[in-house]
Formats: sequence, structure tokens, C-alpha cells
Amino acid sequence: AQSVTQLDSQVPVFEEAPVELRCNYSSSVSVYLFWYVQYPNQGLQLLLKYLSGSTLVESINGFEAEFNKSQTSFHLRKPSVHISDTAEYFCAVSEGGQAGTALIFGKGTTLSVSS
Amino acid sequence: DTAVSQTPKYLVTQMGNDKSIKCEQNLGHDTMYWYKQDSKKFLKIMFSYNNKELIINETVPNRFSPKSPDKAHLNLHINSLELGDSAVYFCASSQAANTEAFFGQGTRLTVV
Repeated sequence: AQSVTQLDSQVPVFEEAPVELRCNYSSSVSVYLFWYVQYPNQGLQLLLKYLSGSTLVESINGFEAEFNKSQTSFHLRKPSVHISDTAEYFCAVSEGGQAGTALIFGKGTTLSVSS
Repeated sequence: DTAVSQTPKYLVTQMGNDKSIKCEQNLGHDTMYWYKQDSKKFLKIMFSYNNKELIINETVPNRFSPKSPDKAHLNLHINSLELGDSAVYFCASSQAANTEAFFGQGTRLTVV
């Protein structure tokens, strides 16, 4: 069975500082990996995904994540955060190519950016 | 056009009542889901339907019954509501069973 561990429940950071949100997964088969962002009182929006190919994936707003198979990790990074990045971030995993499965989410990391 | 829409957005009801949450997607996706987000923001899969067929039915009380009249709709009916059912319920859809999911805005259910 798959599982996702987000190692930090809360990450406070100052504006323009770099940030890393950590995510580790457990699965016995190949996986697809996702990061979602949830702003207050809103639904989840896909930030970026890894399905195959290049292990480094990027989003349009400056976030990136790297799939590391040996360390079973998919950490999310941004070199310089903005106040508007304050949100809840969820890492998710699914069994690649396996029908009848759904995304399994980590418990989330609250990113708080202050000035 | 909203890709995944669910109604109502807020639902306050008394214990013991029966209520439904509706979900529609206009993305042409084959798979739809219901997730429950608890007060600690933990997201847990409840049900998954693929082309109107139930694929995933996690350990959920049988008071919860999903219904999919067609592949664009997946409604959630809850009987005999309990205080512990208070949560945010999210509908989602995806093109295939385990690829990226598109989420609705959520329905905040409060049972009093």
C-alpha cells in the first residue's frame, strides 16, 4: 500500500527567503507524484506533477520538485517566496499505470510567509 | 466555465438528517472521486467511480452512498448525519484512474 509522509507540518519563512517542503513516499510499484496547493477556503490546485521523464519538474510560479527514486522523495522547493505563497501544500502519490487507484495525500504542510 | 462544480458550498444541518451533495464535471473525464478533509486538513479518499462504475469504496460508514447517474456527475448522499461527519467534502475528477485530479471548491458540512 502506498503512503506519503510530509515531514514538516508547518514551515514559517520570511519573504524572499528560499523554502523546501519535504515529501517522502512509500510504494512497492512505480509511482506518479504530485504537489497540490490549497488557499484558504478553496479547493486544491495542481502545482506540479511527475509522471515520467525528467526527474526535475517545474511550475509556472517558480516552484520546482525533484523525484529521487533512491530516497523515495519528492521535495518541493522555491528559491524566493512571496507573501502570496502562504497556503497549505499537499504531496500526493498514485500507483503509476494501475487502474482502480486514487491519489493518496500526505497530511499537508502549512507554509506561512511573513514580511 | 467551472471545471468541477459542487453544490452546495456550505451545508448546516441537524444530527439525524439526510443530505445530498451534488458534483458535476465538464472536463469529459472518466473517473470521479469523493474526498473528505477533516478539521486537521487531512484528505482521505472515500469513493471513486470510473464510467459510472464504483472502483474504490474505502472504509466509510454505509450511511454514505455515492450515486453516479452518468459519467459527468457523482453525487454523495448521507443518511442519519452525525456530529463526526462535519468536514469539508471535495469532489474531483481525472482522465484516468490515477493521474492528476481536478478538484471542486468543496462543501463545508456542519452537523449541529
